Amino acid sequence: GAGVSQSPSNKVTEKGKDVELRCDPISGHTALYWYRQSLGQGLEFLIYFQGNSAPDKSGLPSDRFSAERTGGSVSTLTIQRTQQEDSAVYLCASSLSASSGSSYNEQFFGPGTRLTVL
Amino acid sequence: SQKIEQNSEALNIQEGKTATLTCNYTNYSPAYLQWYRQDPGRGPVFLLLIRENEKEKRKERLKVTFDTTLKQSLFHITASQPADSATYLCALDYSSASKIIFGSGTRLSIRP
Repeated sequence: GAGVSQSPSNKVTEKGKDVELRCDPISGHTALYWYRQSLGQGLEFLIYFQGNSAPDKSGLPSDRFSAERTGGSVSTLTIQRTQQEDSAVYLCASSLSASSGSSYNEQFFGPGTRLTVL
Repeated sequence: SQKIEQNSEALNIQEGKTATLTCNYTNYSPAYLQWYRQDPGRGPVFLLLIRENEKEKRKERLKVTFDTTLKQSLFHITASQPADSATYLCALDYSSASKIIFGSGTRLSIRP
C-alpha cells in the first residue's frame, strides 16, 4: 500500500515569502506528526495531530509556524515570512494512534520536504 | 529538560563484526524506547521498540537492551553487512506525552 507522501519534495523560496508544505498520511492512521531536521541533526518535534485536533503544539518555533489537518487526513504546515534559519528538511510521520505503549505508536515517515530559504 | 545522547562520531566497523551503538538519556526513563534507521535523503524507518520492563529485545540480527538504572540503551547489529551502513536514531517514547523525543543519531559505516 501507499506510504506517507509529502509535497513538494524540494522548495526554494526567498526570505519573507510564505510556504505551504503538504503531508498525506497512510490511510487509517489517526496520528500525524511534523518534525524538522537540520543538516546532521536529529529530529526536532514541531506538532502532532490526533484526528483533526493538535493536543501538542509545543514544538512550533514561533508564531510564524502553523499547521492544520482536515478530514483526519491531509495536513499542511505553513511557514509565514520565511527566514534563512527555517531552511531544513521537514518530515511528516503518521501512526495508527498517538497512544503510546503498543506497536501502534510505530511511526511511518514520509521522504520529507527540503526547504531552502535564500 | 530531557536530553538524549548518541555518539556523534561515526562508527566504522569491519564487515562481519558486531556493531554496538549507544543511547544515553537524562532525567526520567521513558515507558518505551524506539530505534530507527535513516538513509541519506530519506525519512527514518522504525526498527524495534523495547518496553521499560523489558531488558532485551531481538529481531533477526538486531538486539536492543534497555537499562533504566544506567539510563542507557544499546543497539547491536551482529554479522554486520555493508548494507547496514546508515544513521541510527534512538527515540524516547513517554506514554503520557504522546510525543517522541529523538536523538541526533549515530552514523554507522560497515566496510567490506
